[in-house]
Amino acid sequence: DAKTTQPNSMESNEEEPVHLPCNHSTISGTDYIHWYRQLPSQGPEYVIHGLTSNVNNRMASLAIAEDRKSSTLILHRATLRDAAVYYCILRDRSGSARQLTFGSGTQLTVLP
Amino acid sequence: NAGVMQNPRHLVRRRGQEARLRCSPMKGHSHVYWYRQLPEEGLKFMVYLQKENIIDESGMPKERFSAEFPKEGPSILRIQQVVRGDSAAYFCASSPAIGNTIYFGEGSWLTVV
Repeated sequence: DAKTTQPNSMESNEEEPVHLPCNHSTISGTDYIHWYRQLPSQGPEYVIHGLTSNVNNRMASLAIAEDRKSSTLILHRATLRDAAVYYCILRDRSGSARQLTFGSGTQLTVLP
Repeated sequence: NAGVMQNPRHLVRRRGQEARLRCSPMKGHSHVYWYRQLPEEGLKFMVYLQKENIIDESGMPKERFSAEFPKEGPSILRIQQVVRGDSAAYFCASSPAIGNTIYFGEGSWLTVV
């Protein structure tokens, strides 16, 4: 899987939007961009994924740059429960990359 | 639809004992993955299995660790003769088919004393 780069940590205020960036300059045309998060003492939780177009679901939005070399996970209104480590992962859509390869992610702190 | 179920959630073993961790994938999922997270470290892939077959065990330690996913019943991660360095959180995940979204369980925390 291609490498991704994320900031080690970010802070946000409760009830404000959060934009979590991810750089993936070596992304290939067949790589999906996946986001997972891991709350303390819990397993990773699937958040969202996309290929080229921006994606929205009940948890978050994913904005993908036109050249696909970067993406941003958007939490529209942060809550204390959103404090977690957020992982941006590339995964080949052909399925040849069977497992997910986790990096160090971004530790999000939400301030009350 | 129940999620990925792991048990036990917490397990304490003395050095030299065996640890068995069980994982029931989501309904309809035939692909299972095991990951390990050592204290203060990231998630590391261990093994990927389909029913009755080990597909990729490139992340498994060469000795003492084994995994199976029988035709009936849960997937089992077995650690023989545990050592203190095996203390970690072990996460199971499942997907319905290769390339599909992978969903994780809550994890099993192994402490070796």
